[in-house]
Amino acid sequence: QKEVEQNSGPLSVPEGAIASLNCTYSDRGSQSFFWYRQYSGKSPELIMSIYSNGDKEDGRFTAQLNKASQYVSLLIRDSQPSDSATYLCAVNPYAGNNRKLIWGLGTSLAVNP
Amino acid sequence: EPEVTQTPSHQVTQMGQEVILRCVPISNHLYFYWYRQILGQKVEFLVSFYNNEISEKSEIFDDQFSVERPDGSNFTLKIRSTKLEDSAMYFCASSRPGGREQFFGPGTRLTVL
Repeated sequence: QKEVEQNSGPLSVPEGAIASLNCTYSDRGSQSFFWYRQYSGKSPELIMSIYSNGDKEDGRFTAQLNKASQYVSLLIRDSQPSDSATYLCAVNPYAGNNRKLIWGLGTSLAVNP
Repeated sequence: EPEVTQTPSHQVTQMGQEVILRCVPISNHLYFYWYRQILGQKVEFLVSFYNNEISEKSEIFDDQFSVERPDGSNFTLKIRSTKLEDSAMYFCASSRPGGREQFFGPGTRLTVL
């Protein structure tokens, strides 16, 4: 059974701080990793994708991937109240053209003004 | 910026009735997906569609479900005889050719009474 695990939170940080969100996955052969943001009652919105070990930065967001530890994280710098949402980790553990995503339950982030 | 659109935003139906959920993927995308999310639960993959045929489907996607691309722009999900447990948010997503990132529409909330 292919699994993606996240701490459900809530994670509470003060405005301006760094928020660190973590995700582990069960399938060692996984190749594609995604972070989505989901506001309550809304659809998942793609924030970051990462495919290789190391860090990938986009504005205030940094995704980190460690395939040996089967771990992917998302750092949000200078957190804003508008970042308050549930952050979903999604993994494609399949080879070839199978693009099915396996999802974590999400981590709820609250940024306090 | 191009977006995936879905209609209706909310559908209420009686158990046993057929429903059709509609999606318009981003225009130059070739891979299409349906996911669902029961309230408080993980996002679940239903089906992927490429080159006018199903490429992958999950155990959830049984004979009660079908997908169709009736023309060059629409992508539909039909549930033939709805059950109470089909109540969920249904999300359509699409990917560009050669891309692994999936972009989601706003979702249809299906309520089965």
